[in-house]
Amino acid sequence: GAVVSQHPSWVICKSGTSVKIECRSLDFQATTMFWYRQFPKQSLMLMATSNEGSKATYEQGVEKDKFLINHASLTLSTLTVTSAHPEDSSFYICSAQGQGVLAQHFGDGTRLSIL
Amino acid sequence: SQELEQSPQSLIVQEGKNLTINCTSSKTLYGLYWYKQKYGEGLIFLMMLQKGGEEKSHEKITAKLDEKKQQSSLHITASQPSHAGIYLCGADIAGTASKLTFGTGTRLQVTL
Repeated sequence: GAVVSQHPSWVICKSGTSVKIECRSLDFQATTMFWYRQFPKQSLMLMATSNEGSKATYEQGVEKDKFLINHASLTLSTLTVTSAHPEDSSFYICSAQGQGVLAQHFGDGTRLSIL
Repeated sequence: SQELEQSPQSLIVQEGKNLTINCTSSKTLYGLYWYKQKYGEGLIFLMMLQKGGEEKSHEKITAKLDEKKQQSSLHITASQPSHAGIYLCGADIAGTASKLTFGTGTRLQVTL
């Protein structure tokens, strides 16, 4: 149980493009979803927390206009990296937490490469 | 400074050997979560500890939370190549039962 699916797993695109990443909870209702960024050989850095039906809460230093988060349903959250630039290249991972699921369960991550 | 310190940073053990990874905080751990990550992949949930002195086991992995709730250890008995990966501890140090702070990770290699 508690399966989280993240799509796509790998994206390569040109600078200036906007990229959307989806995070779905497959077998539970995710009242809260989290978006993390991970740099090579480093730990996870929380970017934002989103609760279904409300605006996301962004961590200090994360540009909310750059990283748009939508959590419109109890099973889906999306992260859109707008006008992506090479410095946005990274590994992005989502996690979900919900009713009866206290621990965060993670997707497989999305590797984003901006050329 | 890191709120959650993990040690060691990396570990190479021979197959069959036991090992321990530690996760230490200067603040009270309201919840402590252990995850395993393979390079370039997501995190796999291993165990959750909430009470001081709590201990949980799953297959050959045992995790403990000390009485003061400021340190946790992950112990692997008779390590196997399948145990190789990066082990991360995540902690609720704000008492929100939601937001987690992660340690820097321990990279484990198991040699034959």
